[in-house]
Amino acid sequence: EVQLVESGGGLVQPGGSLRLSCVASGFPINNYWMTWVRQSPGEGLEWLANINPDGSEKYYVDSVRGRFTISRDNAKNSLFLQMSSLRTEDTALYYCARVNGAANVWGQGALVTVSS
Amino acid sequence: DIVLTQSPDSLAVSLGDRATIKCKSSQAVLNSFNTLNDLAWYQQKPGHPPKLLIYWASTRESGVPDRFSGSGSGTDFTLTISSLQAEDVAIYYCHQYFTPPHSFGQGTKLEIK
Repeated sequence: EVQLVESGGGLVQPGGSLRLSCVASGFPINNYWMTWVRQSPGEGLEWLANINPDGSEKYYVDSVRGRFTISRDNAKNSLFLQMSSLRTEDTALYYCARVNGAANVWGQGALVTVSS
Repeated sequence: DIVLTQSPDSLAVSLGDRATIKCKSSQAVLNSFNTLNDLAWYQQKPGHPPKLLIYWASTRESGVPDRFSGSGSGTDFTLTISSLQAEDVAIYYCHQYFTPPHSFGQGTKLEIK
């Protein structure tokens, strides 16, 4: 079964850091672009970043550029999102997704709460 | 950055009737390499991640019922549900993957009238 499972979410204070992981099963991620998308409580979807199959190309939305870093470990079939200088407005459910043009496989999400 | 604007924000349709959701892009998303539009539609139900319905503006994802269809080109796109079923109650998002940042529309909430 093709599946993505996120982990690493939790409660963090403003200014803190957190690293999200996304482990894939049922397919090798080294064939795909991968992406992170978040959804604040009761809000819509926000595309955050994506990364090409070998990790040499990365793109970010302005709101996280310089604070978040997307990376991957194809040997471990895993995608990561390192988040630093977190703000209260970063509170959201963070999804990883497999990209084949559009995002056609999604994880269930990891909840990140930024609060003092 | 490309901005996607969906209309309406919410929609109530009777069971069996047609539902139409529009998505307007601030710039064209036509991919010159394959002459296809880099525009997708997703369905999201409460407590679940988005589910891909349509990609390349009009190609239905495997397993998606044929009552769902996508159309449009350039900057104007439409998602149509030909005969609304109860299980179609959800929020629908358009998404452009033409150029980063790959933005989403604000969403359209579809309910039963």
